[in-house]
Amino acid sequence: GAVVSQHPSRVICKSGTSVKIECRSLDFQATTMFWYRQFPKQSLMLMATSNEGSKATYEQGVEKDKFLINHASLTLSTLTVTSAHPEDSSFYICSARDSSGGSGELFFGEGSRLTVL
Amino acid sequence: LAKTTQPISMDSYEGQEVNITCSHNNIATNDYITWYQQFPSQGPRFIIQGYKTKVTNEVASLFIPADRKSSTLSLPRVSLSDTAVYYCLVGDRYNFNKFYFGSGTKLNVKP
Repeated sequence: GAVVSQHPSRVICKSGTSVKIECRSLDFQATTMFWYRQFPKQSLMLMATSNEGSKATYEQGVEKDKFLINHASLTLSTLTVTSAHPEDSSFYICSARDSSGGSGELFFGEGSRLTVL
Repeated sequence: LAKTTQPISMDSYEGQEVNITCSHNNIATNDYITWYQQFPSQGPRFIIQGYKTKVTNEVASLFIPADRKSSTLSLPRVSLSDTAVYYCLVGDRYNFNKFYFGSGTKLNVKP
């Protein structure tokens, strides 16, 4: 079945640094990808919708200058957490759907655990 | 956007059938219902999807009444490894609109 891969799966960084997380659709093309954030024992919260070749759209309350999203190709979206702080520590998950239609299923990556010291 | 409501948690024992119900009162005509399973520190995994009546696959069944305002995920003969959080999502299957997660249901399977 279709696979969405995230990298890195875990990252630890110092406060003030920037971290980039990659999300790739391995065997399908995705014009749209979604980025979620999940805090411990909570549900997934949609952060933004990543659109290939255009600007991402952000959910209310999500700082677009803090969480930079780039969707440069039909198989790759990146999320950069800029000037990370401890409160940005979370589990980040991307998802994508096959642009050609297929089953319409939303596929999720394995997630990336960010820890900001 | 159709909002979903699920029980926060459920307990079961190994070998039992578990039914988790999700309410989605304002589901739209084009919306499908999809259930996902999530283990700690992993991304959600697709379980089953349906539009109406009953759908069955190798791991679960999905029951959807005629009014489609609710759905029930049925897991036959659960095992300890089925302990996870289960989410139901409602959305248009082919239009790339956003999917919002509800609280999910934490299923605890006991020996």
